[in-house]
Amino acid sequence: KAGVTQTPRYLIKTRGQQVTLSCSPISGHRSVSWYQQTPGQGLQFLFEYFSETQRNKGNFPGRFSGRQFSNSRSEMNVSTLELGDSALYLCASSYYSGGGKTDTQYFGPGTRLTVL
Amino acid sequence: AQTVTQSQPEMSVQEAETVTLSCTYDTSESDYYLFWYKQPPSRQMILVIRQEAYKQQNATENRFSVNFQKAAKSFSLKISDSQLGDAAMYFCAYRSANSNYQLIWGAGTKLIIKP
Repeated sequence: KAGVTQTPRYLIKTRGQQVTLSCSPISGHRSVSWYQQTPGQGLQFLFEYFSETQRNKGNFPGRFSGRQFSNSRSEMNVSTLELGDSALYLCASSYYSGGGKTDTQYFGPGTRLTVL
Repeated sequence: AQTVTQSQPEMSVQEAETVTLSCTYDTSESDYYLFWYKQPPSRQMILVIRQEAYKQQNATENRFSVNFQKAAKSFSLKISDSQLGDAAMYFCAYRSANSNYQLIWGAGTKLIIKP
């Protein structure tokens, strides 16, 4: 099976712009989670989508949003970019194991966002 | 709220020797999962090993094994016969089994392998 893919791999934007990142999960996985990784804050959970619904959300401002499509692909959007949004954005997918539960998360290679 | 602590920012080991990375966590839940992920310089986060809290037996994956002490809330990773390719950041992570399936991460341990 192909792994989790993320596009683009690298992105350079300027303050005030908006950006959309894409994640394609492993085939058969219905849950997609997003994480932000920075040297200062480490790995922080952004949100999780399951069957096109946001199930959980981390402590990030409303400028960070996401969605999931019927084929389980997910996008996250950051509006009005700030310098502090520069980070590695990781997407992970997991298999639905029944009873509302999902299994181990497998990660994509990440999108490196630089805000100038 | 759950927390995960990795107290060793950096560890080094001679090639072919054994090294243990430490992780402690805090939770009031009884059913959960613990993970070790590896992040090499490529930045790809790779699952190393997983432990289910209800299982008393420690998980093993080839040269990787864990020492899971539920009462002490400790979850250390032992790497045997260290190889140059093991050099990476290692992250310990916690996930609830019943709700809120986000991973809660430690700060990571940088593992250096000396040839």
